[in-house]
Amino acid sequence: QKEVEQDPGPLSVPEGAIVSLNCTYSNSAFQYFMWYRQYSRKGPELLMYTYSSGNKEDGRFTAQVDKSSKYISLFIRDSQPSDSATYLCAHPRSNQFYFGTGTSLTVIP
Amino acid sequence: KAGVTQTPRYLIKTRGQQVTLSCSPISGHRSVSWYQQTPGQGLQFLFEYFSETQRNKGNFPGRFSGRQFSNSRSEMNVSTLELGDSALYLCASTSRGQNTGELFFGEGSRLTVL
Repeated sequence: QKEVEQDPGPLSVPEGAIVSLNCTYSNSAFQYFMWYRQYSRKGPELLMYTYSSGNKEDGRFTAQVDKSSKYISLFIRDSQPSDSATYLCAHPRSNQFYFGTGTSLTVIP
Repeated sequence: KAGVTQTPRYLIKTRGQQVTLSCSPISGHRSVSWYQQTPGQGLQFLFEYFSETQRNKGNFPGRFSGRQFSNSRSEMNVSTLELGDSALYLCASTSRGQNTGELFFGEGSRLTVL
């Protein structure tokens, strides 16, 4: 079992929709999670990070961790065409990061 | 502040050849890690260096190797290339180490093996 597993997508939504991106993790001891965004032909860049459980909000983006179900979610409100990218969940441990396989999102104008 | 720079950006090799990829981290960052990205497997960790020492290595064969120089620049080498080595190779640097710090990625080196 991989440490972090992610819904593969792809996901296509109309502009203005609410997007939900999800990952699950295997080890209940994990406490630190990150979401990276990767545009085409670019390297990933940090979008948000969360520690432990609960919600963290940053503008149109909300990251949520549910420790009871070992579920990580990223919500995007009022999605824009500029949000079209691949989203990767990640967890750092033992001097490396474990990434999900990524969900490709397309927001249609 | 300049970002992470990777060279070359694109390269084509044939099976059996070897390749060396280079990474210049953000100034002041001492931790450099390498990841292989493929459509099926996503990002897979290759190795991480801190102050010229390899601190962690992923589950890749010995054909994959790396090193870090005293100026924190890093190289990775793949010998006896196989078709399955075709991938985007990403380098990332961080100032705080890999357990809590944000990774800053380069744009990658896209390797095609024919």
